[in-house]
Amino acid sequence: ELKVEQNPLFLSMQEGKNYTIYCNYSTTSDRLYWYRQDPGKSLESLFVLLSNGAVKQEGRLMASLDTKARLSTLHITAAVHDLSATYFCAVYTGNQFYFGTGTSLTVIP
Amino acid sequence: DGGITQSPKYLFRKEGQNVTLSCEQNLNHDAMYWYRQDPGQGLRLIYYSQIVNDFQKGDIAEGYSVSREKKESFPLTVTSAQKNPTAFYLCASSFGTDYGYTFGSGTRLTVV
Repeated sequence: ELKVEQNPLFLSMQEGKNYTIYCNYSTTSDRLYWYRQDPGKSLESLFVLLSNGAVKQEGRLMASLDTKARLSTLHITAAVHDLSATYFCAVYTGNQFYFGTGTSLTVIP
Repeated sequence: DGGITQSPKYLFRKEGQNVTLSCEQNLNHDAMYWYRQDPGQGLRLIYYSQIVNDFQKGDIAEGYSVSREKKESFPLTVTSAQKNPTAFYLCASSFGTDYGYTFGSGTRLTVV
């Protein structure tokens, strides 16, 4: 059974601090996606990572992919309140996207 | 502007009733998907369709049905056989794996 595991599940961090969210998956895949969900809202695409070693950055968020380790990271730099949301990673394999359980991030002043 | 439209935004279902959730996209995407999200949980795949007139069951298809008669439309019917349908339902479409998903705004279904 394919597993996509995120950790931590809950993260409370102070403004201005750095932190990393991890996404481990149990199958071979070179396609990894990150999404953001605000409470009660739909999912918004953040990053699409399509090969080993891929790194993408947007503002205070940076995502990377290591397909050999089956690991993706989402690094948050100098967090601000606007980044509070739930972040999901997803892996594509076998004609389907499989989602992690999500990381609920709260940035506190 | 292209996008995915889900309707209604909120839906209430009585016990034993079938209800249909609408999903329409004008992105010219071939693949469409339905997911269910329970509070504090991740997304679970109900059905997906890669091409018109063809669809496959996902992990939790029991109690649900779909059709794909047009490329733009992928409605989901929640039947009375689905015993615990209260959830947030998300429709998504994809042009290909290089792009990931585009999600609709979701339908929140509640059994009353």
